[in-house]
Amino acid sequence: DQQVKQNSPSLSVQEGRISILNCDYTNSMFDYFLWYKKYPAEGPTFLISISSIKDKNEDGRFTVFLNKSAKHLSLHIVPSQPGDSAVYFCAASDMTSGSRLTFGEGTQLTVNP
Amino acid sequence: DAMVIQNPRYQVTQFGKPVTLSCSQTLNHNVMYWYQQKSSQAPKLLFHYYDKDFNNEADTPDNFQSRRPNTSFCFLDIRSPGLGDAAMYLCATSRGRGETQYFGPGTRLLVL
Repeated sequence: DQQVKQNSPSLSVQEGRISILNCDYTNSMFDYFLWYKKYPAEGPTFLISISSIKDKNEDGRFTVFLNKSAKHLSLHIVPSQPGDSAVYFCAASDMTSGSRLTFGEGTQLTVNP
Repeated sequence: DAMVIQNPRYQVTQFGKPVTLSCSQTLNHNVMYWYQQKSSQAPKLLFHYYDKDFNNEADTPDNFQSRRPNTSFCFLDIRSPGLGDAAMYLCATSRGRGETQYFGPGTRLLVL
């Protein structure tokens, strides 16, 4: 039962344009959401998070939007840079499960110069 | 200044030969986690420690064990690795339950 889904395995954008990565979830108990970035042969690096009491969180070029009614979140990167090329994982947790993070399967972002 | 360190980065073992992967952290976080990630799949939580309190996921095979001798170190022991255990093993830490998790670089395990 895939509770967190990233339906696009890959996304390609031009440098300077906006990258939008999407994530859907099914568990209405999830109340904390995170995005991680992963380069080959490295562990995931935390990027940005959002609590369910908010609908937007911004950090520099990265903005995460949460639509609770649609059970959907998205990560916007603007402007996109070639160094942003990596796999992006969406993850979610709920306080009742305490520590467990449930990950999506990732989206490979390629930013072309 | 690495915060979550995993050694070794690459580990080759033989089918059935016990192997231990190690993780250390300089963050003084209370919670440490072990994830397994197979190619093109999401990381899957195996177990975690909240301080000394061990929490096993229901579907983690008995073949996988863990030890946390102190706050800084956590070990993953695979008692009898099978070919299906070849994967990237990720260690993560968080200050408390439900807080942001920070990952190490991972150990890629190959089983021959």
